[in-house]
Amino acid sequence: GDSVTQMEGPVTLSEEAFLTINCTYTATGYPSLFWYVQYPGEGLQLLLKATKADDKGSNKGFEATYRKETTSFHLEKGSVQVSDSAVYFCALGPYIPTFGRGTSLIVHP
Amino acid sequence: NAGVTQTPKFRVLKTGQSMTLLCAQDMNHEYMYWYRQDPGMGLRLIHYSVGEGTTAKGEVPDGYNVSRLKKQNFLLGLESAAPSQTSVYFCASSYQTSGYTDTQYFGPGTRLTVL
Repeated sequence: GDSVTQMEGPVTLSEEAFLTINCTYTATGYPSLFWYVQYPGEGLQLLLKATKADDKGSNKGFEATYRKETTSFHLEKGSVQVSDSAVYFCALGPYIPTFGRGTSLIVHP
Repeated sequence: NAGVTQTPKFRVLKTGQSMTLLCAQDMNHEYMYWYRQDPGMGLRLIHYSVGEGTTAKGEVPDGYNVSRLKKQNFLLGLESAAPSQTSVYFCASSYQTSGYTDTQYFGPGTRLTVL
């Protein structure tokens, strides 16, 4: 069946550092790929998505590229801020979404 | 638009008690979902619905029942609560675009403690 594997956290960075959170997937067909973010005490919200191979999703300085050849959708940001501290979830379609276990990001001033 | 709302926000139950969690969405979404979130386990799907009057089991359905009598509402019931059901419960809804899942919209969560 479909599955998503995310790097385990927590990931701890200093402000303005470069961020990468790895996500790889197993799926049949051509799933849509998503990154969701969960801030403390809140529900998940969409951060970005990509619906076909080589698409790049971007939002709030975060980017991820749908790589079919490596079955990956790694999340990157060039310069993180304290306000980016949250839990990040990778997910895939195409029908009932499958989520990774989440990666906690802690950014220190 | 209120988006996805959940009632209640917090609840404490004793073992064996029953309760119903209510989820409501005002975006006319066909699909609705109930998840539970536990430390280190990520999100696990309990039940979902692909339209009014339909429900289906997810990954961890035991001990829960659901109903979707109206398109905008999705109810999650615990008939006899157990301590293992202590968790944060999230409801979500989404469109389907050409048969594929589109963005999910999540509620703020219900924190349930079973003593």
